[in-house]
Amino acid sequence: DAGVIQSPRHEVTEMGQEVTLRCKPISGHDYLFWYRQTMMRGLELLIYFNNNVPIDDSGMPEDRFSAKMPNASFSTLKIQPSEPRDSAVYFCASSSNRGGTEAFFGQGTRLTVV
Amino acid sequence: EDQVTQSPEALRLQEGESSSLNCSYTVSGLRGLFWYRQDPGKGPEFLFTLYSAGEEKEKERLKATLTKKESFLHITAPKPEDSATYLCAVQSYGGSQGNLIFGKGTKLSVKP
Repeated sequence: DAGVIQSPRHEVTEMGQEVTLRCKPISGHDYLFWYRQTMMRGLELLIYFNNNVPIDDSGMPEDRFSAKMPNASFSTLKIQPSEPRDSAVYFCASSSNRGGTEAFFGQGTRLTVV
Repeated sequence: EDQVTQSPEALRLQEGESSSLNCSYTVSGLRGLFWYRQDPGKGPEFLFTLYSAGEEKEKERLKATLTKKESFLHITAPKPEDSATYLCAVQSYGGSQGNLIFGKGTKLSVKP
């Protein structure tokens, strides 16, 4: 398996524009996580899915953020409208079950909003 | 609220100089404690999972240990290629079930 695949690797956009980040989890994994990493706050969980269903979205900072998982092999994180403070590295991770199993991370998407 | 605190924030070692990284945690029932390594521009890479106090895991020059309040990542005779940020994370039975709560990491630099 190629691991967790994220696209794009880098995204530069203007304030107010819509941004869509994409993730393909490891085949067979039924948990998918979206994290955001900044120098100030470290890695923060935004939302996670189990069997394509959102379980906990309490980490989503505002209504400008939304996430979907239409099937077991694809998820998106959308920011609309984007703001400069959304600039960060966004990671997607997947794991095979909830209980004490490690999560595997993608390479991340570095988002810069100017 | 589940919390993870890592120390020190940064650590500089000479090649061959052994040391330890600390991860202190408070959780409502520990399901697992995880160590990850993160290289610049990359995602965290899984190293170890520890489940109960007294447990130890080893991989090459790294050894992770766990008590009821903290975990240590011991690095023996480090090499420059061990330079990275080391992240600790916990998963609990209560509170934020199902997800990992991360510390801010320790940035390790090993000079030749």
